[in-house]
Amino acid sequence: GAVVSQHPSWVICKSGTSVKIECRSLDFQATTMFWYRQFPKQSLMLMATSNEGSKATYEQGVEKDKFLINHASLTLSTLTVTSAHPEDSSFYICSAPGPSGATNEQFFGPGTRLTVL
Amino acid sequence: GENVEQHPSTLSVQEGDSAVIKCTYSDSASNYFPWYKQELGKGPQLIIDIRSNVGEKKDQRIAVTLNKTAKHFSLHITETQPEDSAVYFCAASMGAAGNKLTFGGGTRVLVKP
Repeated sequence: GAVVSQHPSWVICKSGTSVKIECRSLDFQATTMFWYRQFPKQSLMLMATSNEGSKATYEQGVEKDKFLINHASLTLSTLTVTSAHPEDSSFYICSAPGPSGATNEQFFGPGTRLTVL
Repeated sequence: GENVEQHPSTLSVQEGDSAVIKCTYSDSASNYFPWYKQELGKGPQLIIDIRSNVGEKKDQRIAVTLNKTAKHFSLHITETQPEDSAVYFCAASMGAAGNKLTFGGGTRVLVKP
């Protein structure tokens, strides 16, 4: 099956700093990737859709200037949390549609745990 | 937009018993309904999915049923085992490949040995 990786798996940073999270499709190309945020004991909330070659599409209520998304290539999307604050501490997960292109199936990365001190 | 409701939020079963999780969706245009299992500290893993042109799908101990008229779908796990303990999420999506998923609130399943 299609494999999606994330890096780093966890990160601790000081308040006010920026953190970059990478999402890679390892054995297939993805023109679209999705970024989710998950707080403890809650569901996955879609933050934005990352589009290769164009601007990301953000969900309502998500600050695009705070959560910068760059779909640098057909296998890499990055999420940068700018000027992070403790309330940004969360589990960030990316996903990508499968390589077949004929289904809605999405493959998820292992997630990145962000802790802002 | 789409809204997906999931029940129950927690489910405790004895090993060997069956577990059933139910979801309802609001948008009749949704046509793809996956179920994900998430273990602590990990990303969700697809365990089974169903499309709107099918009423039921089974894979070993796991089955999913879909009622398009009532706009609800259910996950059935038979002969539960301790390793089935996890959080399960249903989701709904519509249209072509690459369309976003809307997730239910999740069900924390505990299988007691």
